[in-house]
Amino acid sequence: LAKTTQPISMDSYEGQEVNITCSHNNIATNDYITWYQQFPSQGPRFIIQGYKTKVTNEVASLFIPADRKSSTLSLPRVSLSDTAVYYCLVGDMLGTDKLIFGTGTRLQVFP
Amino acid sequence: DADVTQTPRNRITKTGKRIMLECSQTKGHDRMYWYRQDPGLGLRLIYYSFDVKDINKGEISDGYSVSRQAQAKFSLSLESAIPNQTALYFCATSDGDPTTDTQYFGPGTRLTVL
Repeated sequence: LAKTTQPISMDSYEGQEVNITCSHNNIATNDYITWYQQFPSQGPRFIIQGYKTKVTNEVASLFIPADRKSSTLSLPRVSLSDTAVYYCLVGDMLGTDKLIFGTGTRLQVFP
Repeated sequence: DADVTQTPRNRITKTGKRIMLECSQTKGHDRMYWYRQDPGLGLRLIYYSFDVKDINKGEISDGYSVSRQAQAKFSLSLESAIPNQTALYFCATSDGDPTTDTQYFGPGTRLTVL
């Protein structure tokens, strides 16, 4: 079971870059790393997914070191609207590990 | 996400009542899921279905049952509701893509059991 560990909460200010790290020491060869964002009273929303190295999209970047035992979600120049809970999930398509959300990281962005 | 709809959006009921929460999707996905979320906590998986004939228990299935009526519909039932089932319930779908299998969530149903 690829358990993940994330910080419970983080604070930032508008315009700053935010990096949220997730530890997944027992990640398996076929596992992908997926990040979701959740606003209060809404369902989670997919942000980014990766397997190794770096992935970038219009919202965020995901950095994965060679050993894949951790990953870092990077949000460039955050705004107040980025205040949300961020979840890191690890697993492969065939299993149910990637359905385990955990408690996530609560990001609070201040003006 | 309008592609995944849940009804009702809010429901207040009494202890012992039978409740059904419904989920419909227009994404054409085979996989569907039910989660519950308690205040300040993450999502916990109740049941999941990888296709119409497949039903699996998640980590907290006790007190719940599901029905996969069609590819597009996945219902969650509380046979005899109790107060500690008060929570926010989310339905989700995914396409089973071998490299992504991204989940798409509905807007949620807020259930209160008195």
